[in-house]
Amino acid sequence: TQLLEQSPQFLSIQEGENLTVYCNSSSVFSSLQWYRQEPGEGPVLLVTVVTGGEVKKLKRLTFQFGDARKDSSLHITAAQPGDTGLYLCAGVARRDNRKLIWGLGTSLAVNP
Amino acid sequence: GAGVSQSPRYKVAKRGQDVALRCDPISGHVSLFWYQQALGQGPEFLTYFQNEAQLDKSGLPSDRFFAERPEGSVSTLKIQRTQQEDSAVYLCASSLGTSNTEAFFGQGTRLTVV
Repeated sequence: TQLLEQSPQFLSIQEGENLTVYCNSSSVFSSLQWYRQEPGEGPVLLVTVVTGGEVKKLKRLTFQFGDARKDSSLHITAAQPGDTGLYLCAGVARRDNRKLIWGLGTSLAVNP
Repeated sequence: GAGVSQSPRYKVAKRGQDVALRCDPISGHVSLFWYQQALGQGPEFLTYFQNEAQLDKSGLPSDRFFAERPEGSVSTLKIQRTQQEDSAVYLCASSLGTSNTEAFFGQGTRLTVV
């Protein structure tokens, strides 16, 4: 069974601080997706990383896929209260690309 | 429609009652997924449809859970004889193709069994 470990589980920071969320596995994924979910809403896809070592930037968010495609990180620069939410990583299984393997999520609170 | 629509948004059921949750995927999307999400945790896979065919139902927790997508569009997740442990948010997602390259989620149905 492929598992994705996400850390930290909870994070509370002040506006303007930087943070990094990690997503780790012992298994290789064909690609990995990052989602953000707000209370009462479904997850919204932020980015998909496909190539080992790939780095993608989305404004103040930087996503990186590990060289071996087993891990990924999300770095937020100068966090703002609007970044508050649940951040989820999900790996696309190599054997079945229809199934997403989900991390448990990182609940981020950015305080003004 | 413009996005994935789920109804009802909230459902309170008495233990033992049957419930039906509806998902309207994005028009033309081939793939449809159902997930169960506990508070503050990631979604857990329940079942997957490709058009009207249910190709994977390995995540359904018991035979009380049943899903269908008879015409390859709208899907219904039915839970019979609900129990308290069924309380969760049920999410539906659809994607254009047959892989998870980009899945769009509905807002979910929050089910509370009392």
